[in-house]
Amino acid sequence: TQLLEQSPQFLSIQEGENLTVYCNSSSVFSSLQWYRQEPGEGPVLLVTVVTGGEVKKLKRLTFQFGDARKDSSLHITAAQPGDTGLYLCAGGVYNQGGKLIFGQGTELSVKP
Amino acid sequence: GAVVSQHPSWVICKSGTSVKIECRSLDFQATTMFWYRQFPKQSLMLMATSNEGSKATYEQGVEKDKFLINHASLTLSTLTVTSAHPEDSSFYICSARVGLAGELKTQYFGPGTRLLVL
Repeated sequence: TQLLEQSPQFLSIQEGENLTVYCNSSSVFSSLQWYRQEPGEGPVLLVTVVTGGEVKKLKRLTFQFGDARKDSSLHITAAQPGDTGLYLCAGGVYNQGGKLIFGQGTELSVKP
Repeated sequence: GAVVSQHPSWVICKSGTSVKIECRSLDFQATTMFWYRQFPKQSLMLMATSNEGSKATYEQGVEKDKFLINHASLTLSTLTVTSAHPEDSSFYICSARVGLAGELKTQYFGPGTRLLVL
């Protein structure tokens, strides 16, 4: 069974601080996707990384896929209250018809 | 981006009744849709993979007779919770895969359906 360990599970910081969320596995994934979810809504795709070592930036968010495609990180610079939400990483499973394995999620709270 | 809708957005039902939840891809066709369940403050748990024109593939521990899935067209999948009980109360979310042939396909999620069984 493939697992994706996401940490930390809870994070409460002040506006302006930086933070990093990690997703780690012993398995290799075909892709790694990051989603953000607000209470009572479905997850919204932030980014998909496919190539080992790939780095993508989305404004203040930086996503990295590990060289071996087993881990990924999300770094937020100068966090804002609007960044508050549940962040989920999800790994694409090879030859499983597009199935995703989700991490446990990181509940981020950014206080003004 | 691709839009996925769900209906209803929330439902309250009595124990023992059945509830049907619809998942639609609005601006694309999806041969594969997925159904997830999410408890408060937790991540998504995959329940089953819904394939158009064939039987759904259920994850281990998910009762297929309890959670009936029908993917009758390329834009609609339904999840029916049969003989619902309070422990079935949860947030149910569907997703649909989209992408051109030869490209990486991405899952886009619906807004979710909140089910409360009394």
